[in-house]
Amino acid sequence: GAGVSQSPSNKVTEKGKDVELRCDPISGHTALYWYRQRLGQGLEFLIYFQGNSAPDKSGLPSDRFSAERTGESVSTLTIQRTQQEDSAVYLCASSLGGGQGGTEAFFGQGTRLTVV
Amino acid sequence: AQTVTQSQPEMSVQEAETVTLSCTYDTSESDYYLFWYKQPPSRQMILVIRQEAYKQQNATENRFSVNFQKAAKSFSLKISDSQLGDAAMYFCAYSAGTYKYIFGTGTRLKVLA
Repeated sequence: GAGVSQSPSNKVTEKGKDVELRCDPISGHTALYWYRQRLGQGLEFLIYFQGNSAPDKSGLPSDRFSAERTGESVSTLTIQRTQQEDSAVYLCASSLGGGQGGTEAFFGQGTRLTVV
Repeated sequence: AQTVTQSQPEMSVQEAETVTLSCTYDTSESDYYLFWYKQPPSRQMILVIRQEAYKQQNATENRFSVNFQKAAKSFSLKISDSQLGDAAMYFCAYSAGTYKYIFGTGTRLKVLA
């Protein structure tokens, strides 16, 4: 596709359930980011994938959060045993990366997660 | 470690007036890039303007311009002739090499009719 695609766009889940969020980056983009954005707040960095390098997981808030990326394609963010404080919009972005630090980060429209 | 700070959680501007949003950053790198992103209520992040650190000339995109002060590590965004459609969250961001993007906490801009 032409842009970063995220699915689902909205997800309501019961507390304690696991959820999986998906991100399809722009083809050819080696860098991929996940951010969390609580209502009316800024972007909270979660994880960063850059090519074949080990991902930067320094932003993951707990071991209930994990993310995978297959090569330079799809990424999934998994939240296990969801809690109400996990309710937020989860944004994915991709960029050319690969040392081209000035390239634009393109964002998906996000997944709004609501834990009830 | 690199950091980006936006000290204004919220700003208001009268339609057709000019407003300046502040951003400061900290880095030990000499070559890097700075960005301003806009997030309207639709939550789609849009790149507004980009500045290369090695360029002394301030970037300009139509009504949007920056005041880049490298020595002071300051990167403010000026919006001229503000329009109702400019109302959004604005995020300042930094990137260098393969390092991840660092975003500020955002400034909510309200445009008053």
